[in-house]
Amino acid sequence: DGGITQSPKYLFRKEGQNVTLSCEQNLNHDAMYWYRQDPGQGLRLIYYSQIVNDFQKGDIAEGYSVSREKKESFPLTVTSAQKNPTAFYLCASMTTGGISGANVLTFGAGSRLTVL
Amino acid sequence: AQSVTQPDIHITVSEGASLELRCNYSYGATPYLFWYVQSPGQGLQLLLKYFSGDTLVQGIKGFEAEFKRSQSSFNLRKPSVHWSDAAEYFCAVGYTGTASKLTFGTGTRLQVTL
Repeated sequence: DGGITQSPKYLFRKEGQNVTLSCEQNLNHDAMYWYRQDPGQGLRLIYYSQIVNDFQKGDIAEGYSVSREKKESFPLTVTSAQKNPTAFYLCASMTTGGISGANVLTFGAGSRLTVL
Repeated sequence: AQSVTQPDIHITVSEGASLELRCNYSYGATPYLFWYVQSPGQGLQLLLKYFSGDTLVQGIKGFEAEFKRSQSSFNLRKPSVHWSDAAEYFCAVGYTGTASKLTFGTGTRLQVTL
């Protein structure tokens, strides 16, 4: 079945360490997204990529970095510059072709990062 | 900038009762509107979407939503709630031109009592 795989499901990090969250999709979607979710704040966009080798900052990109070397993969690195990294991170993808699929995000199951 | 308001943070209903979750959006253009549901510790699942046409849209799990342009609203409804509907519900909006960026509301947590 097609879908989005995020790993790891749970991750613990010491302060000052960088950590990379994996996101892989086999939906052949062009666009991929990273959202951060905190209680009571909904989903906030960190970075998104509409095509390989190109990505744009979202609303809260500071302290994060991404790459898009392959269509299927969009890893997120939470750097030590992120002041409050403990959160639930969601990866999503979207097809950019056709009205029926456009704008519809498909989500992974999420990764919970805890900074100790 | 586009924004979405879900005024109810937490709603409790009895099983079998009807449900309405409120969603209001800002911005003048014709929006693309969505409702997603999230179980604890999981990703989001699409319930239904509105792009154009009939303003009453049907979704999965017996949910429906009505787009009312005059009220800038897209409320989610279900005639009879089941205990398994307990979850968090998110409304989201997108627009032509910013189509790749959806804006989400802060969510409404639904509790169902037996």
